[in-house]
Amino acid sequence: EAQVTQNPRYLITVTGKKLTVTCSQNMNHEYMSWYRQDPGLGLRQIYYSMNVEVTDKGDVPEGYKVSRKEKRNFPLILESPSPNQTSLYFCASSTGTSGYNEQFFGPGTRLTVL
Amino acid sequence: AQSVTQLGSHVSVSEGALVLLRCNYSSSVPPYLFWYVQYPNQGLQLLLKYTSAATLVKGINGFEAEFKKSETSFHLTKPSAHMSDAAEYFCAVSWGSNYQLIWGAGTKLIIKP
Repeated sequence: EAQVTQNPRYLITVTGKKLTVTCSQNMNHEYMSWYRQDPGLGLRQIYYSMNVEVTDKGDVPEGYKVSRKEKRNFPLILESPSPNQTSLYFCASSTGTSGYNEQFFGPGTRLTVL
Repeated sequence: AQSVTQLGSHVSVSEGALVLLRCNYSSSVPPYLFWYVQYPNQGLQLLLKYTSAATLVKGINGFEAEFKKSETSFHLTKPSAHMSDAAEYFCAVSWGSNYQLIWGAGTKLIIKP
């Protein structure tokens, strides 16, 4: 089944404790992206990647890191999480890098930073 | 800056009634337009998209949207609401070769029995 998977689905952590949220897609997509969703703000892009070893900042990159060593994986790293990073996070991928391509989303990771 | 506006954070309709969710975007440059739906505790999935073909676009689950360039709008409609339509709906826009999507804030659709 074609899908984007994220792990973990739920995570409660404390300020300053490094964490990684994994994202994997099995559709051989070139484009991958991370978003955060907050009430009333819609989706805001954190980082995106057009291909392996190519990553770029989105609208809200502060406090986050990413890497794209393999085409299928795009982990999101929070080196020192803070309470303002409490949010719902989505990974997405797309078959191409053109503006009309559909994005496929993972199920989301709900992160709480105490 | 380019922006997308969804009018109404919550829209409530009775089962069987018309659904109308509004989306307006800034910019006179023709965009690519999308509606995504998010069911409770799930990720987003594509409902429909406009990519400069027919201005009336049909999507899944009986939804459709009409691109109106003069009004810079892409409103989502469904003739008869069903309880299973209760979800949050997001309008998103991209322009030209820039792949980045600009997202609306979302509209939560509530269906009354």
